Amino acid sequence: QKEVEQDPGPLSVPEGAIVSLNCTYSNSAFQYFMWYRQYSRKGPELLMYTYSSGNKEDGRFTAQVDKSSKYISLFIRDSQPSDSATYLCAMSVGNQFYFGTGTSLTVIP
Amino acid sequence: EPEVTQTPSHQVTQMGQEVILRCVPISNHLYFYWYRQILGQKVEFLVSFYNNEISEKSEIFDDQFSVERPDGSNFTLKIRSTKLEDSAMYFCASSDDSQLVDTQYFGPGTRLTVL
Repeated sequence: QKEVEQDPGPLSVPEGAIVSLNCTYSNSAFQYFMWYRQYSRKGPELLMYTYSSGNKEDGRFTAQVDKSSKYISLFIRDSQPSDSATYLCAMSVGNQFYFGTGTSLTVIP
Repeated sequence: EPEVTQTPSHQVTQMGQEVILRCVPISNHLYFYWYRQILGQKVEFLVSFYNNEISEKSEIFDDQFSVERPDGSNFTLKIRSTKLEDSAMYFCASSDDSQLVDTQYFGPGTRLTVL
């Protein structure tokens, strides 16, 4: 059973573009919805998390959750070359985390 | 800034051999986790550990896997008889509260190659 689905990309955008990353899920029991950034040869680093449906903004990043559609998104405004990384969505129920495959993003200067 | 460390960064072993992957969690954290990521695939939860016992484990975490906190600082993952399909990146993570996802920090990973 594929709990979390994420388009692996790769995604390539010019600097300054708005980036949209998405995941869908099947388990309605998920409680937390997270976005992680992973650089090559590094562990995942938490960017943002949300608990409920709606939007959450942090600087250039906006996380959006739609529980009715079982769909989450991460928007990156004014993308920078330093945003180039793999972005993983993840969801949790209890102590168990379920990750998407990750989307590889390259921001071209 | 506190960080989770893992050793070794890369481990090469022969099929059937035992390996121990080591992690030093952040010092005041109480919850510990192991994940694995097969090349090109998603990060998969293996096990969580709290108060010197396993709190949750996934279907992947079968009898060939075990975890231990042998002293006050290390958290280890042992694979008893490695298989080719165990080749993956293994990430350790720790958190100070299981209910607060923003306190979970990942280590840099150990790349395990089984020949």
